[in-house]
Amino acid sequence: EPEVTQTPSHQVTQMGQEVILRCVPISNHLYFYWYRQILGQKVEFLVSFYNNEISEKSEIFDDQFSVERPDGSNFTLKIRSTKLEDSAMYFCASKSRAGNNEKLFFGSGTQLSVL
Amino acid sequence: RKEVEQDPGPFNVPEGATVAFNCTYSNSASQSFFWYRQDCRKEPKLLMSVYSSGNEDGRFTAQLNRASQYISLLIRDSKLSDSATYLCVVNVDTGTASKLTFGTGTRLQVTL
Repeated sequence: EPEVTQTPSHQVTQMGQEVILRCVPISNHLYFYWYRQILGQKVEFLVSFYNNEISEKSEIFDDQFSVERPDGSNFTLKIRSTKLEDSAMYFCASKSRAGNNEKLFFGSGTQLSVL
Repeated sequence: RKEVEQDPGPFNVPEGATVAFNCTYSNSASQSFFWYRQDCRKEPKLLMSVYSSGNEDGRFTAQLNRASQYISLLIRDSKLSDSATYLCVVNVDTGTASKLTFGTGTRLQVTL
């Protein structure tokens, strides 16, 4: 089965530093997402991206966050100035078509630890 | 009220048992429904979609009651490998976004 690839698998950073989490969605997919999961809590939607622009973002996705698809294959999430509460597992996801029942493929996640 | 509510468990059952999980959702505009499985520190994986007529996939049966905003998952003949957290997920279509809203999950532990 095709895979969404995320790098790195673990990222440790100091509070206030910028981090970039990287994702390579499945090659023919058009819809891209970031979700996060704080330890012991539910998976939360951050942002969706289609046609080179943000489709929707949650309240979590404030000015410190940005997404980019710089080269047609990578999809990145940048956190400008990390806070302790940004520590979480970040999941990238993609799907090929619109439609509520289209399968969403998740990457294996990047565990971000902010110290 | 939480958008998607589940009993966190854990449910501890012996191998071969039948176990049922329930879930309620608050947004009546929710349009599609899923059960995902999540192993510890791993990504969520789609177990099955849930349809109004109810649907079955091997040992797994899902039911949806739109009037009550209630979703269920039944696992028959539990295996050790079924031990995981089961996430109830709903989708409200917002055009291109189609974002998923997850419950906190119900943890299942199947024992010998």
